[in-house]
Amino acid sequence: GAVVSQHPSRVICKSGTSVKIECRSLDFQATTMFWYRQFPKQSLMLMATSNEGSKATYEQGVEKDKFLINHASLTLSTLTVTSAHPEDSSFYICSASGPAFANTEAFFGQGTRLTVV
Amino acid sequence: GDSVTQMEGPVTLSEEAFLTINCTYTATGYPSLFWYVQYPGEGLQLLLKATKADDKGSNKGFEATYRKETTSFHLEKGSVQVSDSAVYFCALRDTGGFKTIFGAGTRLFVKA
Repeated sequence: GAVVSQHPSRVICKSGTSVKIECRSLDFQATTMFWYRQFPKQSLMLMATSNEGSKATYEQGVEKDKFLINHASLTLSTLTVTSAHPEDSSFYICSASGPAFANTEAFFGQGTRLTVV
Repeated sequence: GDSVTQMEGPVTLSEEAFLTINCTYTATGYPSLFWYVQYPGEGLQLLLKATKADDKGSNKGFEATYRKETTSFHLEKGSVQVSDSAVYFCALRDTGGFKTIFGAGTRLFVKA
């Protein structure tokens, strides 16, 4: 199957700083990438959808100025949590899809656990 | 909009017991259906999938059949192991292929 790599797997940052999370498709062209957030013992909530070369589409209630998404290439998307605060602490997961899979399947990264102190 | 409903957990079983986790969906069109598994502290792994009505997905002893008439995709395993303890998510991907919608997840504990 296709591989999606997410980095870092864990990060601790101070309140007020920004953190960048990378999501890479290692063996396929990811024309579409998705970013999810998962609170403890809860399901995944879609934050935004990004298409390569276009601005991301954010779900209702997600602050686009706080969660900056860039999808500048067919293999890399980044999520930057700006001016992070303790309430941003969460598990963030990306997934990627592309024409090789007829856009019917998405592959998930390992997730990034962000702790803001 | 599209949605997925799955049975609440946690589900606690003894080793070698039969497992069923119910999942129903609402969607326009003909979505693809998935089961994902998440082990503690890890990301999601695709367990199985079905892309059209009456398809049966299977993997590692788990099975689920895409039932359009009942809009269901129940997960089953004949004999669970301790190593199956995890959270299981039912999900659908719409016909446009742009979003995956997840159920709330069902936590499974298997006791030795």
